[in-house]
Amino acid sequence: SYELTQPPSVSVSPGQTARITCSGDALPKQYAYWYQQKPGQAPVLVIYKDSERPSGIPERFSGSSSGTTVTLTISGVQAEDEADYYCQSADSSGTYQVFGTGTKVTVL
Amino acid sequence: QVQLQESGPGLVKPSETLSLTCTVSGGSISSYYWSWIRQPPGKGLEWIGYIYYSGSTNYNPSLKSRVTISVDTSKNQFSLKLSSVTAADTAVYYCARTPGAYCGGDCYSLWFDPWGQGTLVTVSS
Repeated sequence: SYELTQPPSVSVSPGQTARITCSGDALPKQYAYWYQQKPGQAPVLVIYKDSERPSGIPERFSGSSSGTTVTLTISGVQAEDEADYYCQSADSSGTYQVFGTGTKVTVL
Repeated sequence: QVQLQESGPGLVKPSETLSLTCTVSGGSISSYYWSWIRQPPGKGLEWIGYIYYSGSTNYNPSLKSRVTISVDTSKNQFSLKLSSVTAADTAVYYCARTPGAYCGGDCYSLWFDPWGQGTLVTVSS
């Protein structure tokens, strides 16, 4: 089955930049999406179609794509950005949806 | 804006069928795909499947033999049934609207937004 791989954790100081990667063989063909999940809450979409930001999401969240890796960048990290982040995409046929393994972002 | 709310039993016995309903408010269910996603305690997200308002479905291959998703456009609801449950099916179950966009050629890409608040279903005797 298709897998999307993320680092388990990323630590960053306030005001610095956090980068979270997501790797998968089908990413050159399929869009990727990013979700933020805080404890006890439902996930919230923060990036769609690789790099677009939904309304209401702060500009410090951005996305990029290069080959088999997509990256979520949080510039000027704030304490409120501490959360789990998941990427999501589809297999090469576009038939099945898959979530990444998840990355816990800790703000030091 | 569109809001989703899951409802159903919070406790299901092993070998029985888990049944949940998602009620959509603030918009019509008669467009978009609509999905179920689950998250075992302390673990990651797993896509279960989706349904189009017309009734066409697509399921995660790992769950396909046990899953049925249906839609009731008259009630603006869609539902999940998962049969023969075990403790491994204990999870928070989310419903989500599933928008889409073309990504080149015949590629059509889907994502999940917004999500319901989720409901914890525990499988235990």
